[in-house]
Amino acid sequence: GAVVSQHPSWVICKSGTSVKIECRSLDFQATTMFWYRQFPKQSLMLMATSNEGSKATYEQGVEKDKFLINHASLTLSTLTVTSAHPEDSSFYICSARDSAQRGSRYQPQHFGDGTRLSIL
Amino acid sequence: GIQVEQSPPDLILQEGANSTLRCNFSDSVNNLQWFHQNPWGQLINLFYIPSGTKQNGRLSATTVATERYSLLYISSSQTTDSGVYFCAVGLEAGTALIFGKGTTLSVSS
Repeated sequence: GAVVSQHPSWVICKSGTSVKIECRSLDFQATTMFWYRQFPKQSLMLMATSNEGSKATYEQGVEKDKFLINHASLTLSTLTVTSAHPEDSSFYICSARDSAQRGSRYQPQHFGDGTRLSIL
Repeated sequence: GIQVEQSPPDLILQEGANSTLRCNFSDSVNNLQWFHQNPWGQLINLFYIPSGTKQNGRLSATTVATERYSLLYISSSQTTDSGVYFCAVGLEAGTALIFGKGTTLSVSS
C-alpha cells in the first residue's frame, strides 16, 4: 500500500532555532502534498498545500515566512519552521495522494505518522 | 467553506458493546475518509468511502452522499478501539481534507 514517511517523529529544540520536517511518499509520486497542524485535544487544521515545482499556497492566518515549504521532487516535501517559538509547539502531519490515481474512482489521501514539535 | 460535524463528541462504552458514530457535511463531496487516531497521534485510515457501504472486520461504514452524512459502526468494541475517530471530507478528489472535530471513544473492560 501507499506509504508516507515523515521525519523526524519527535523534536525538541530551543526557542529561536529553525526546524525542518520531511514528508516523503515512499512508493508513489505526489505532485501535491498537504501540511496540517494539530493542537492538543483539537482537530487537524490545514496549513498549506505544497505543489511540486511551484510555490506553496497557505491557508488564511498561516504565516508563509514562518512556515517555509519546499516541494522539490515528486516524492519529497519539506516544512521548515523558522525561528520557532513555544507557541509553534504542535503536532504537524502531512498527507499525499498518489498522482497515478488521478481520474480513478479511488483517490484517498495517505498520511504520515506526524511530527511532534516542542519548543522550549 | 464546508462544515463537518461529528457526533457524539464523546462516547464511553463497555467492552463488547456496539456503537454508531455520525458525520454530517454541508456540501457535496468527492472524498470522505474515516480515521482512527491512536494515542501516539498516528492517523489510521479506516475507510475511503465517498459513497456506499464498506465493511472491514468489526467495522463498517455507510455514506449517503445525497443526504450528506456518513456513519461508522463499531461492533463488539474492544479496549484497543479507544481513541479519537475523525471524519474528513474533500470537495474534489485530490484536494485537501477538511476534518471534523472527532469523536473520542473510551472502551473499558
